[in-house]
Parts: sequence; C-alpha cells; structure tokens
Amino acid sequence: KQEVTQIPAALSVPEGENLVLNCSFTDSAIYNLQWFRQDPGKGLTSLLLIQSSQREQTSGRLNASLDKSSGRSTLYIAASQPGDSATYLCAVSPLSEKLVFGKGTKLTVNP
Amino acid sequence: GAVVSQHPSRVICKSGTSVKIECRSLDFQATTMFWYRQFPKQSLMLMATSNEGSKATYEQGVEKDKFLINHASLTLSTLTVTSAHPEDSSFYICSARDITVGSPLHFGNGTRLTVT
Repeated sequence: KQEVTQIPAALSVPEGENLVLNCSFTDSAIYNLQWFRQDPGKGLTSLLLIQSSQREQTSGRLNASLDKSSGRSTLYIAASQPGDSATYLCAVSPLSEKLVFGKGTKLTVNP
Repeated sequence: GAVVSQHPSRVICKSGTSVKIECRSLDFQATTMFWYRQFPKQSLMLMATSNEGSKATYEQGVEKDKFLINHASLTLSTLTVTSAHPEDSSFYICSARDITVGSPLHFGNGTRLTVT
C-alpha cells in the first residue's frame, strides 16, 4: 500500500528565505507526482506535476524534483513571500488516476 | 486555465437529512471525477471515483448507499450524503481530469459540511 510522508509538518521562516519541503513515498511504481497548495478552508491548486520519467519541473520561484528510485521528491521555494503561506501537499499517482496524498506541510512566511 | 466549480462551499444540516454537493468542470470535459474527504490535520482520502455514464467505484470502507454519486454528464458529478450524521462532518473536495492525456487533476474549492 502506497504511503506518502511529508516532512516537516510545519515550517515557519522569515520572508526572503529559500526553503525546501520534503516528500517521500513507499512504492516507486508511480505514474506521476504532483505538488499542491491548499489555503485554509479552500480547495487545492496544482503547482507542479512531474511525470515518472522526469527529474524536475520548474514554475517561477518553485522547483520540484523527483527521485523515483529512492521514493523522494522535494519542493524548493526561492525567495519566500508572506503570500506563500499555505499548506503544501504532495501526492503520487500509483499507476492509476488515483492520488495518494501526504498530510502536508504548513508553511508560514513571516514578514 | 481549467476550472472546477464545487457547490455549495459551506453547508450546515440537521442530523438525518441529505445533502447534495455538485462538482462541475467549467471549461473542459472530464470522463472521470474523484471525490475526497479531508478531516482536520489529515490527508485527503479518496472516497470514490465517479465515471461518466456508469456506476462509481468506491474505496474500501466507504458506504456506497450513504454516499451516492451520480455522474450524468462529462461536466457534472454530484455527491449526496444521505441521512447525514455528525461524524459525516468534514471537508469534501472533488477533482476532475481533462480527458486530454497527461493533464493534471484540477480541484474544486471544497465543501465544508457540518451536521448538527
């Protein structure tokens, strides 16, 4: 059974700092991995989608990497801003359309 | 970009009543939609996969007679929580994937259900 773990559960940083969020998964047989952002009481916004054949994806200040063999992904946020404060969720798709989510990392960027 | 509209965003109902939640893909077609439930500080848990024109597929432990799913068109899926109880209070989120191969899942904004 696929399990997704995100570390840390919560993170508080000063504005401007670069930071890394970690995601690990137990079964490397995945179709893709997706990072999402969730604001309080809201739905999910897809940030980056990495196919199993890819190593990384970039969008603006965000960079996500994937090491499928070791079951790890990282989300790098450069020059963090208060508006980046949210919960970041990692989810893997185990060779189907179904997503298995981690519990998320709650990020607070302090002005 | 692709938008998934979920309605209502918040609902409060009395124990024993039924509540319907709608999930619409606004600018794309989705043969498959997914329904998730999220309890506080927990992961999103897949409840069921909604397939257009056929019966939904439920995950283990999810009562299909309690959580009725209808996917009557390529742009609309509904989840009805029947005979709701306080323990059904949760955050329900739907998602849909554009039928275009390789597209990411798009999520609705969720529905906060409170059963009193």
